[in-house]
Amino acid sequence: GEDVEQSLFLSVREGDSSVINCTYTDSSSTYLYWYKQEPGAGLQLLTYIFSNMDMKQDQRLTVLLNKKDKHLSLRIADTQTGDSAIYFCAEKRKPSNTGKLIFGQGTTLQVKP
Amino acid sequence: NAGVTQTPKFQVLKTGQSMTLQCAQDMNHEYMSWYRQDPGMGLRLIHYSVGAGITDQGEVPNGYNVSRSTTEDFPLRLLSAAPSQTSVYFCASRTITPQGKGGNYGYTFGSGTRLTVV
Repeated sequence: GEDVEQSLFLSVREGDSSVINCTYTDSSSTYLYWYKQEPGAGLQLLTYIFSNMDMKQDQRLTVLLNKKDKHLSLRIADTQTGDSAIYFCAEKRKPSNTGKLIFGQGTTLQVKP
Repeated sequence: NAGVTQTPKFQVLKTGQSMTLQCAQDMNHEYMSWYRQDPGMGLRLIHYSVGAGITDQGEVPNGYNVSRSTTEDFPLRLLSAAPSQTSVYFCASRTITPQGKGGNYGYTFGSGTRLTVV
């Protein structure tokens, strides 16, 4: 994707926390998303954050947004083997209703038992 | 179940053949789009539509055509398949009017079409 960067691979042990990072370049981004893709499946929306927020928590997921540094992270607490998947961050550029969604390359999360 | 339906799930084409990938959604979403997914490159936007009768190009439109005659359907046509079009294709839709407090413009994705061009 254009201008949305993620590291390609992360390996953690079951029960540890995982932190997946993403950087973007467009300061006009309105919404930022995290999607999960399991093998052979489409992308599933995990969570999102509006650009005027710093943090959003949803059960085991915590999203942190540093708008100054254009940095987005997804923390998964108590990572389970079922969390193994590819995680994509995406930014929604203006205009909010018709603008495009730009995806990062995806981070493959491997959870070892 | 409501959602985005893509057909076929798998397809093998010979170079030069044409075909249409089908996408249908029953959520009354105005916005529909086609992405291709290639290893290490994330998802790249091919074409998108903000409503019936309106289409526009994304990042990688060459070799593909789309049309949007109804709100529900957004087919993707490969005019003359090439090996470089071997990929997984995803259709996604969303509303352009988020519903309710905290509503967002997140996409609903189909399960994908895995295309191989030999």
